[in-house]
Amino acid sequence: DAKTTQPTSMDCAEGRAANLPCNHSTISGNEYVYWYRQIHSQGPQYIIHGLKNNETNEMASLIITEDRKSSTLILPHATLRDTAVYYCIVRVSGFNAGNMLTFGGGTRLMVKP
Amino acid sequence: SQTIHQWPATLVQPVGSPLSLECTVEGTSNPNLYWYRQAAGRGLQLLFYSVGIGQISSEVPQNLSASRPQDRQFILSSKKLLLSDSGFYLCAWGDTANYGYTFGSGTRLTVV
Repeated sequence: DAKTTQPTSMDCAEGRAANLPCNHSTISGNEYVYWYRQIHSQGPQYIIHGLKNNETNEMASLIITEDRKSSTLILPHATLRDTAVYYCIVRVSGFNAGNMLTFGGGTRLMVKP
Repeated sequence: SQTIHQWPATLVQPVGSPLSLECTVEGTSNPNLYWYRQAAGRGLQLLFYSVGIGQISSEVPQNLSASRPQDRQFILSSKKLLLSDSGFYLCAWGDTANYGYTFGSGTRLTVV
């Protein structure tokens, strides 16, 4: 799986959009970009994933650059409950034996009132 | 709908005692199942994964073992706990809806 680079921490004002960047310059053509978050003392939660097109769901939007070397997770209206560690992961789809979900350090997002 | 259950939520065990953590999945069949551990202030480390009954793969050598006696049951065990086994243990299953993972609520283990 390709490595990802994320800022260690970010702050965001409540009600504003939170834009979390991720660099994955060595991503392969068949690798997807996945985002998870982990609220303190809970298990990680799937947020969104995409291959090359931008994606949106009820939780967030995922913007992937045309060259696929970076992406941005957007929480349109951050709330205090969005305070968590956000993980950007690139991996091929499917559940082959060698296709494990590998978590890096992530970005610690602090939403402030 | 699919759900994943883990218990207990918290556990305090003395050094040298045995361990058994259970994870069960509902609403799906033949799931891929995973055990992760997160030490305090650290990232998630994959410990074991299973693609079917009786099939266990270990990612790191350690004091722990895993078993899958039934299709939707995954057990993490130890014969003798060490202080270094303390951590937050998470079970997950592979969600074919998005090829992502769905995690349980975790067990916080403290070895004293």
